[in-house]
Amino acid sequence: DQQVKQNSPSLSVQEGRISILNCDYTNSMFDYFLWYKKYPAEGPTFLISISSIKDKNEDGRFTVFLNKSAKHLSLHIVPSQPGDSAVYFCAASADRGSTLGRLYFGRGTQLTVWP
Amino acid sequence: DAGVTQSPTHLIKTRGQQVTLRCSPKSGHDTVSWYQQALGQGPQFIFQYYEEEERQRGNFPDRFSGHQFPNYSSELNVNALLLGDSALYLCASSFGTSGWDTDTQYFGPGTRLTVL
Repeated sequence: DQQVKQNSPSLSVQEGRISILNCDYTNSMFDYFLWYKKYPAEGPTFLISISSIKDKNEDGRFTVFLNKSAKHLSLHIVPSQPGDSAVYFCAASADRGSTLGRLYFGRGTQLTVWP
Repeated sequence: DAGVTQSPTHLIKTRGQQVTLRCSPKSGHDTVSWYQQALGQGPQFIFQYYEEEERQRGNFPDRFSGHQFPNYSSELNVNALLLGDSALYLCASSFGTSGWDTDTQYFGPGTRLTVL
């Protein structure tokens, strides 16, 4: 059963515009959410996270929004750059606030930023 | 500072064989987790090792086993390989198991296993 869902396998955005990647989850026990970015032939790299007690977390061009009632989170990238082109994974943890235990991943969204 | 390293990069096996994959954690890390990423899927948690013991386990059969050595490196063993075991196997390392939002797991590049 897929407890973390990314329903858009791909997203194409022009350079300079906003990229919005979406993620839904079903498990109410999730208390931390993370976004990872993956380039080909590399492992996923951590991008940004958010605790379930917050509704927004910002880090430079990246902002994650959490809507607990809808069990939905989104990653906003503004402005998008060609170097952002990668697969983005949404992940969740139910490890009592820890992000170092078991992570549940979505299937990923391939973001392509074109000039 | 070397990050997480995995070996081999690629591996081809036939059904019924056994395979061992290796992972060296990032310097200073003592915890290793293994994930399986099938084609078109997200990584699926196999298990995590801390202090040389299996701390958590996902929904994988007993054919999947692991080990952690005193130097914190780890092995993933898969017995009686099936075609469905073909996947990218990722190793992630961290320091401890109870981090907060400033801590994270670091992933290696993975081992691509093909079972024929």
